[in-house]
Amino acid sequence: GAGVSQSPSNKVTEKGKDVELRCDPISGHTALYWYRQRLGQGLEFLIYFQGNSAPDKSGLPSDRFSAERTGESVSTLTIQRTQQEDSAVYLCASSLDSGGLGDTQYFGPGTRLTVL
Amino acid sequence: AQKVTQAQTEISVVEKEDVTLDCVYETRDTTYYLFWYKQPPSGELVFLIRRNSFDEQNEISGRYSWNFQKSTSSFNFTITASQVVDSAVYFCALMFTGGGNKLTFGTGTQLKVEL
Repeated sequence: GAGVSQSPSNKVTEKGKDVELRCDPISGHTALYWYRQRLGQGLEFLIYFQGNSAPDKSGLPSDRFSAERTGESVSTLTIQRTQQEDSAVYLCASSLDSGGLGDTQYFGPGTRLTVL
Repeated sequence: AQKVTQAQTEISVVEKEDVTLDCVYETRDTTYYLFWYKQPPSGELVFLIRRNSFDEQNEISGRYSWNFQKSTSSFNFTITASQVVDSAVYFCALMFTGGGNKLTFGTGTQLKVEL
């Protein structure tokens, strides 16, 4: 079956512009996660969706970052007034979310964002 | 504090050598999960293994093996007879009760396998 897909694969924008990043989870996966990976670093958690609610937004770095999810499908991560420090690869993952701890997260290919 | 440490930033080996990637974690929780992911040059993270805190049995999958030791809070990953296709960044990650379902990642180990 299809894996997690993300679009665009690359995005170059000018400082101050808004960007939208899209994630399509694996069909049937109710949990969806956004992570950020800065160059040469590990992944930082941003936000977690269970269905279309977000019980954990603790990783969003500022109020310029927001995310939404439609039902149990597509999610959009929006960054307003982009700054150069927002340049990173944004990775999306999904899991079955059986209700307990430990579900394996499967990752998409990421969106590489470059803010000039 | 919940933390994952991968002290090896980069490892270079010659093909067919065995290599061990270290992972040390910190958590106060008694229930937690540990994961290894591979990130090849293409960038997509590939799931390798999941281990829960109550199962300390070592696991072998082909050329890959994992050694989980709660006494030293370590979850090390060994590749036997390495191949060029093993070249990638490898991440160890922790999921703990108090952290919900998010993964806390180490900074990764870049493995380069040369001919």
